[in-house]
Amino acid sequence: AQKITQTQPGMFVQEKEAVTLDCTYDTSDPSYGLFWYKQPSSGEMIFLIYQGSYDQQNATEGRYSLNFQKARKSANLVISASQLGDSAMYFCAMRGSRDSNYQLIWGAGTKLIIKP
Amino acid sequence: EPEVTQTPSHQVTQMGQEVILRCVPISNHLYFYWYRQILGQKVEFLVSFYNNEISEKSEIFDDQFSVERPDGSNFTLKIRSTKLEDSAMYFCASRVQGASGELFFGEGSRLTVL
Repeated sequence: AQKITQTQPGMFVQEKEAVTLDCTYDTSDPSYGLFWYKQPSSGEMIFLIYQGSYDQQNATEGRYSLNFQKARKSANLVISASQLGDSAMYFCAMRGSRDSNYQLIWGAGTKLIIKP
Repeated sequence: EPEVTQTPSHQVTQMGQEVILRCVPISNHLYFYWYRQILGQKVEFLVSFYNNEISEKSEIFDDQFSVERPDGSNFTLKIRSTKLEDSAMYFCASRVQGASGELFFGEGSRLTVL
C-alpha cells in the first residue's frame, strides 16, 4: 500500500537558517511523483515543488529544493534562507503511476514556525 | 499568473441542505480534482474528472456527491444532503495533460454544516 510519512509534527527554526522537512514514502509503483505543498493559516494549498521518480536531477524552485533519495525512499524539502512568511503547515504527497492517478496520498504535515 | 479560483470561500449550511461548490480551473488544464481536508486531518482525494466524465473516485465520494462541468469553465461539486461530517475545507485542483506534475489547488471552500 502507498504511504507517506512525515515524522516531524512541528519545527521551530531561526529566521535565515536553512530548513529540512522530512518525508519518506512507500510504494510499489514503478513510476510515481512526489509533491510538496505549503498551507498557511489562511488555509489555501500552495504548490511548491514536484519530483518525478525518473527525474535525473533533484527538483529546485527558487528557495525550495527537493532532496530526493530514491533508494532510501525519501523526498525531503529544503528551504534555504528561511523567512517569517515561511511559517505554515507543509505537506508531502505522492501520486501513483497512471497518468490520471492524482488521487495523491498525503502525509500528516509538518508545522513550521520561523522565529525572528 | 493563472490560478484556480473557488467560490464561496466559506459556506455555512444546515444539515440536510444541498450545497454547490464552484471552481474555475486554469484555462488550459484538462484534469480536474476535488479534495477535502477535515480540520486537523490529512487531505483526502474525492474525485478526478477528465474529458467530461469522472475518471476516478474515492470511497468518500458516495451517491450524495456529484460533479459536473456544465459550461466548459466551471467545475462544480454538489453535495445533495449535507451531513455534519461533511464539514471540511474542499479544494479544487487542476493540471495539464501528461504526468509532468504541478497540480495546482484553489484557495479552498470552507463548508460548515450545522
